[in-house]
Amino acid sequence: GNSVTQMEGPVTLSEEAFLTINCTYTATGYPSLFWYVQYPGEGLQLLLKATKADDKGSNKGFEATYRKETTSFHLEKGSVQVSDSAVYFCALYSGGYQKVTFGTGTKLQVIP
Amino acid sequence: DAGVIQSPRHEVTEMGQEVTLRCKPISGHDYLFWYRQTMMRGLELLIYFNNNVPIDDSGMPEDRFSAKMPNASFSTLKIQPSEPRDSAVYFCASSFGRRLNTEAFFGQGTRLTVV
Repeated sequence: GNSVTQMEGPVTLSEEAFLTINCTYTATGYPSLFWYVQYPGEGLQLLLKATKADDKGSNKGFEATYRKETTSFHLEKGSVQVSDSAVYFCALYSGGYQKVTFGTGTKLQVIP
Repeated sequence: DAGVIQSPRHEVTEMGQEVTLRCKPISGHDYLFWYRQTMMRGLELLIYFNNNVPIDDSGMPEDRFSAKMPNASFSTLKIQPSEPRDSAVYFCASSFGRRLNTEAFFGQGTRLTVV
């Protein structure tokens, strides 16, 4: 079956530090890959996505590249802000149904 | 569109009571998902519907849980009887399945506390 593995959190960074959150996946076929973000007290919202190999998704300074050879979709940001503090979920869509498989989430805390 | 609307936002109930969570998906979306989020288990898919028909309910934890979607604009998740271990945040999400690789849009969730 499909699965998504994310790095364990929480991740604590100082403002303006470089962020990487690792995500690897196992899937049949050709999945689409997503990063969702959940701010405190809110639901999940889409941050970025990539639908085929070598695609790069980007939004709000975050980016992730779909690497089929390493089955990875790592999230990066060059300079984090306190407002980026949230839980980040890597997710995978595959197959004929719109069923998504989520990773366990990685909590990011950015301190001033 | 106002997005996916869930009610109530918070629910506190006593063990053994029936609890009903409600969801209004985004108009025009044909997929609806119910998730449960806890610290221990993370985000779990409970059940999802396509065109009001349940497609996969394998994530429903036990017979105490049931979900319905009587029409395209409304769904309920019912727990009867409720137990303290059901305490969690329950999310509803919807998507438009005819567009390939479209994302799901989430509601703000219902925080359920069973005491």
